[in-house]
Amino acid sequence: AQSVAQPEDQVNVAEGNPLTVKCTYSVSGNPYLFWYVQYPNRGLQFLLKYITGDNLVKGSYGFEAEFNKSQTSFHLKKPSALVSDSALYFCAVTLAGGYQKVTFGIGTKLQVIP
Amino acid sequence: DTEVTQTPKHLVMGMTNKKSLKCEQHMGHRAMYWYKQKAKKPPELMFVYSYEKLSINESVPSRFSPECPNSSLLNLHLHALQPEDSALYLCASSHQAGAAYEQYFGPGTRLTVT
Repeated sequence: AQSVAQPEDQVNVAEGNPLTVKCTYSVSGNPYLFWYVQYPNRGLQFLLKYITGDNLVKGSYGFEAEFNKSQTSFHLKKPSALVSDSALYFCAVTLAGGYQKVTFGIGTKLQVIP
Repeated sequence: DTEVTQTPKHLVMGMTNKKSLKCEQHMGHRAMYWYKQKAKKPPELMFVYSYEKLSINESVPSRFSPECPNSSLLNLHLHALQPEDSALYLCASSHQAGAAYEQYFGPGTRLTVT
């Protein structure tokens, strides 16, 4: 079985400040990890993924995430938040070598305050 | 073209109606997916098609019937739905159905069953 935990329902950050959205995972094997963002009344948009290699992954719109195997975490970060970053963020996991059965976390609402 | 399109955007149907949702992508992707998303919840996988063949059915009730006429199109036929089936239905595609591939989502169809 695989699971994803996003411990914060909502994260508030001031515009221009760094942001972190937390994600931990559980899989019986090596994980592939993803971050997606969802704006109101829209589908999900892919931000970045970790498959293998460098633990620091850079993605779209200035976002990055760090894979930490010992802590089973994949936190999403951005050095300077924009108001337009306000959205719902989903962390997701699949099992390496497996089929495309994605397990999503419950989502974290990011609110960037002007 | 990196877009997944879905029609209609909104659909209201009675419990005795038959309707269909349509999804289209022209990215050359060989895997396509249907998800159901309730408000403030993560997407739940319903079906996966790989090379136009159904590869995963997540024990979805038979009142939902998927169809993949060709590599660019995915339909979801609806019949005798229940009010609890009201949700946002998302279509997605990926290069292939392997676990390492990110998914591209359409904007969704907002379904209301009366």
